[in-house]
Amino acid sequence: DQQVKQNSPSLSVQEGRISILNCDYTNSMFDYFLWYKKYPAEGPTFLISISSIKDKNEDGRFTVFLNKSAKHLSLHIVPSQPGDSAVYFCAASVLNSGYALNFGKGTSLLVTP
Amino acid sequence: DSGVTQTPKHLITATGQRVTLRCSPRSGDLSVYWYQQSLDQGLQFLIQYYNGEERAKGNILERFSAQQFPDLHSELNLSSLELGDSALYFCASSVVGRGIDTQYFGPGTRLTVL
Repeated sequence: DQQVKQNSPSLSVQEGRISILNCDYTNSMFDYFLWYKKYPAEGPTFLISISSIKDKNEDGRFTVFLNKSAKHLSLHIVPSQPGDSAVYFCAASVLNSGYALNFGKGTSLLVTP
Repeated sequence: DSGVTQTPKHLITATGQRVTLRCSPRSGDLSVYWYQQSLDQGLQFLIQYYNGEERAKGNILERFSAQQFPDLHSELNLSSLELGDSALYFCASSVVGRGIDTQYFGPGTRLTVL
């Protein structure tokens, strides 16, 4: 049962434009959300996170937005760069019951020059 | 480089066999996690250890087992292998294994069962 869903398997964006990656979740107990980036032949790399007490967290070109009522989060990358081309995974956890991460299936982002 | 190491990088074996995957966490990290990524699935949590003790269990098959040793490295044992066990297996580590504690992933072991 997939509790974290990334409904867009792929996304193509021009360099300099905004990339928006979306993620939906079904478990209302999730209270901590993360985005990981993965290049081929490497493990996932932590990018940015947000706890459920916030609705926005920003780190440089990366911003994560959380809409708890809609059980939806999104990752914005502005401006997008060719080096951002990778697979992006959304993950969620319940902080008080351990720290197992529930991952989506990923969205492959291609940033074209 | 996350600081998490996994060996071997690739493993090819036959159905019915048993294999052991090894993970060394980042220096100072006490918690280790194992995840499986199959062809059409996201990363699926298997099991977590903290300072040698099992802390959380996901959808880990009974044919799979893991342990964390006193030096904090961890091994994932997969036995009676089936074709469907072919996947990427990732190990991750974090400092305390609870709360807001970032998990750092190794490069993975690609297991192919023929």
